[in-house]
Amino acid sequence: GIQVEQSPPDLILQEGANSTLRCNFSDSVNNLQWFHQNPWGQLINLFYIPSGTKQNGRLSATTVATERYSLLYISSSQTTDSGVYFCAVELKRIYNQGGKLIFGQGTELSVKP
Amino acid sequence: DTAVSQTPKYLVTQMGNDKSIKCEQNLGHDTMYWYKQDSKKFLKIMFSYNNKELIINETVPNRFSPKSPDKAHLNLHINSLELGDSAVYFCASSPDRYEQYFGPGTRLTVT
Repeated sequence: GIQVEQSPPDLILQEGANSTLRCNFSDSVNNLQWFHQNPWGQLINLFYIPSGTKQNGRLSATTVATERYSLLYISSSQTTDSGVYFCAVELKRIYNQGGKLIFGQGTELSVKP
Repeated sequence: DTAVSQTPKYLVTQMGNDKSIKCEQNLGHDTMYWYKQDSKKFLKIMFSYNNKELIINETVPNRFSPKSPDKAHLNLHINSLELGDSAVYFCASSPDRYEQYFGPGTRLTVT
């Protein structure tokens, strides 16, 4: 079955708007990362956040491990934020498989000027 | 000061050929990975090596063979290429099996 679910699948924003992306996962996790895949295809690390809250500029992320979800907040969005945002987890029950990241299907964000 | 690099960036080849993709990391990490991203942008792990030892080998056709000559390099060799192998292949590395850092990707097109 599905182990990592992201929502929404697509999102269109006007520049300056805020948004929240969600990642639900089916089991306890050792690791959780958020990535941004830019229009040139590069996968950029945003956050390593198996639990708690982190902030980096206009982006912040919160993972509630006990409730098995993570949220990525984008404030004052810019056109350069466009691309696909991926959540990826390493599930605890397969901990002995050496860091196997399972990716969600991504949220495709388009920010219009 | 590139952290994880891959060569080539683009690879166009015909069915039946054999090709290799190279990956190098200068981060001093012990663990390296290969992921495949399909046309729907779905990313899936293929292999993982820790200090030259294979530790993850997903359900991947035998035509794919990873090779790690040292812990800074992980190459991917593909035999008898098929149309369905067309994808973007990403190499990644990790210092402690946790946070992973990805290379720029290699777009493979099989015609």
